[in-house]
Amino acid sequence: SQQGEEDPQALSIQEGENATMNCSYKTSINNLQWYRQNSGRGLVHLILIRSNEREKHSGRLRVTLDTSKKSSSLLITASRAADTASYFCAHSGSARQLTFGSGTQLTVLP
Amino acid sequence: DGGITQSPKYLFRKEGQNVTLSCEQNLNHDAMYWYRQDPGQGLRLIYYSQIVNDFQKGDIAEGYSVSREKKESFPLTVTSAQKNPTAFYLCASRPRGGANTGELFFGEGSRLTVL
Repeated sequence: SQQGEEDPQALSIQEGENATMNCSYKTSINNLQWYRQNSGRGLVHLILIRSNEREKHSGRLRVTLDTSKKSSSLLITASRAADTASYFCAHSGSARQLTFGSGTQLTVLP
Repeated sequence: DGGITQSPKYLFRKEGQNVTLSCEQNLNHDAMYWYRQDPGQGLRLIYYSQIVNDFQKGDIAEGYSVSREKKESFPLTVTSAQKNPTAFYLCASRPRGGANTGELFFGEGSRLTVL
């Protein structure tokens, strides 16, 4: 399976600013998911968007999906220092497994 | 509380030794997965199991082995055939497998270092 690509690889912002991360993939998908990973810890699921959805919200998170461009974006609004983590997108297609992107390391400066 | 428990959290191994990483879940999930993560990279799938007594190779299965004798347990053995085993290993589960793959639940990981 082919990993997706995430952009940027690293992002540093001030507390209160918005953070946007992008994800691209190469195959057709059933859904796309975003996960968060604190340093040295396991991944935690944030949000899932289905292939027939274009936008989804969860608290301060907003995810968009453009299947024609094979891309997704994750927006974190009003960021906090506690949002500092790595963020991964993962997509599922015909294979019975998720394919993860390479991740974006977000640093929120207080 | 329900969750996935991985042990040990840190493990050191000499070259040529086999080591087994434990993964136990009490979520009553059917499907379980092992991923490998290298520094600054995403996750790569090693093995997965949809049901008890059945498992399939992932993208990087060479040098690894698994068993699924019980629904709750999915241990991973890193054999001496794995040429570059130093990595962070993550176990995950899902209520059931299938093409419409939903949310994965992860353990806290095991960091293996080969000396």
